[in-house]
Amino acid sequence: GDSVTQMEGPVTLSEEAFLTINCTYTATGYPSLFWYVQYPGEGLQLLLKATKADDKGSNKGFEATYRKETTSFHLEKGSVQVSDSAVYFCALGAYNQGGKLIFGQGTELSVKP
Amino acid sequence: GAVVSQHPSRVICKSGTSVKIECRSLDFQATTMFWYRQFPKQSLMLMATSNEGSKATYEQGVEKDKFLINHASLTLSTLTVTSAHPEDSSFYICSASGTGNRPGNTIYFGEGSWLTVV
Repeated sequence: GDSVTQMEGPVTLSEEAFLTINCTYTATGYPSLFWYVQYPGEGLQLLLKATKADDKGSNKGFEATYRKETTSFHLEKGSVQVSDSAVYFCALGAYNQGGKLIFGQGTELSVKP
Repeated sequence: GAVVSQHPSRVICKSGTSVKIECRSLDFQATTMFWYRQFPKQSLMLMATSNEGSKATYEQGVEKDKFLINHASLTLSTLTVTSAHPEDSSFYICSASGTGNRPGNTIYFGEGSWLTVV
């Protein structure tokens, strides 16, 4: 079945460092891919998404490119801030399933000043 | 503002009692809603798919008699944890797939509900 695999955390970075969180997926068909962020004690917020191959999603300085050839959707940010500390989830959605999402295990990011 | 609202955000109940969590789409009609469960520091696991006017579809391993889902209107789905036990303590999150004035292919998440069973 469909699945999502993320790099394990926690990831600890200094402020202004470059961030990459790897995400790879297995899916039949052509899923849409998402990154969600969860701040401590809160629900999920959509960070960015891409709906087809070679699409680049971007938001708040974060970017991810839908790579069909490598089945990847890695999250990147050029310069992280302390406020980016959160758990990041990569997710896959097949819209022929009406919006059901399959999540990766989450990667905790901690940014130190 | 939030387009999907969950209530309550936090609830503590005694073991053996039932507790209901509501998920509302605030400005769109949600033909389908999803209920997820998240254990501390873990990922979200889909529990069930809730379709308006029909029975919910449960994922493998989820007890349908314990986690009752009702989607009686296009703006409300409820999850009732029956005869709750401490192991049911978790973070429950709903999401909604919209229609109407919201694109059908956009998914909105509620803020989540913390359930603690003592």
